[in-house]
Amino acid sequence: LAKTTQPISMDSYEGQEVNITCSHNNIATNDYITWYQQFPSQGPRFIIQGYKTKVTNEVASLFIPADRKSSTLSLPRVSLSDTAVYYCLVGALHSNYQLIWGAGTKLIIKP
Amino acid sequence: GAVVSQHPSRVICKSGTSVKIECRSLDFQATTMFWYRQFPKQSLMLMATSNEGSKATYEQGVEKDKFLINHASLTLSTLTVTSAHPEDSSFYICSARDTLAGADNEQFFGPGTRLTVL
Repeated sequence: LAKTTQPISMDSYEGQEVNITCSHNNIATNDYITWYQQFPSQGPRFIIQGYKTKVTNEVASLFIPADRKSSTLSLPRVSLSDTAVYYCLVGALHSNYQLIWGAGTKLIIKP
Repeated sequence: GAVVSQHPSRVICKSGTSVKIECRSLDFQATTMFWYRQFPKQSLMLMATSNEGSKATYEQGVEKDKFLINHASLTLSTLTVTSAHPEDSSFYICSARDTLAGADNEQFFGPGTRLTVL
């Protein structure tokens, strides 16, 4: 079972680029890497998903090295509204539904 | 986009009573739905996987007789917390996979249900 490790918290300032790294040393071949954002008392919101190399969408980029033992979520030009908890999720819904959530990183954006 | 709703959003009940939480996929079919529990300042913990037309699969340590799951249609799964106790107070979140059009491994989350047992 893949286990993930993330920094407990991070601070940054508006307009900066924020990179959050997640370690998943025991990731399996069929596992995807997914990042979610969660605000207090709300369900998680999908940010980005990848399997290898780099993935980019309108809100973030995800960098995955060749060994896939870690991944980095990159948020460009953050704003105050990006203050939230970010979760790294490793798993494959097609494979025994093992969905293991990291502890999450509380990101605080300051003015 | 794919929308998942939960009802109720908040419920307060007395100890010993049962509470039913509904999870609906509003604009897509969901063969599989997941139920999570989240305690304050903690991560989500997968409780069970709900499969339409079959029995749910529970994670280790989750009592299937206490947390009854029914997935009777492709758009509705229910979680019933039976004989609730204060330690069952938590934030319950469901998610669903789009059977037909969803990206591999993507799950869409509901807004969550805050359960408080007095």
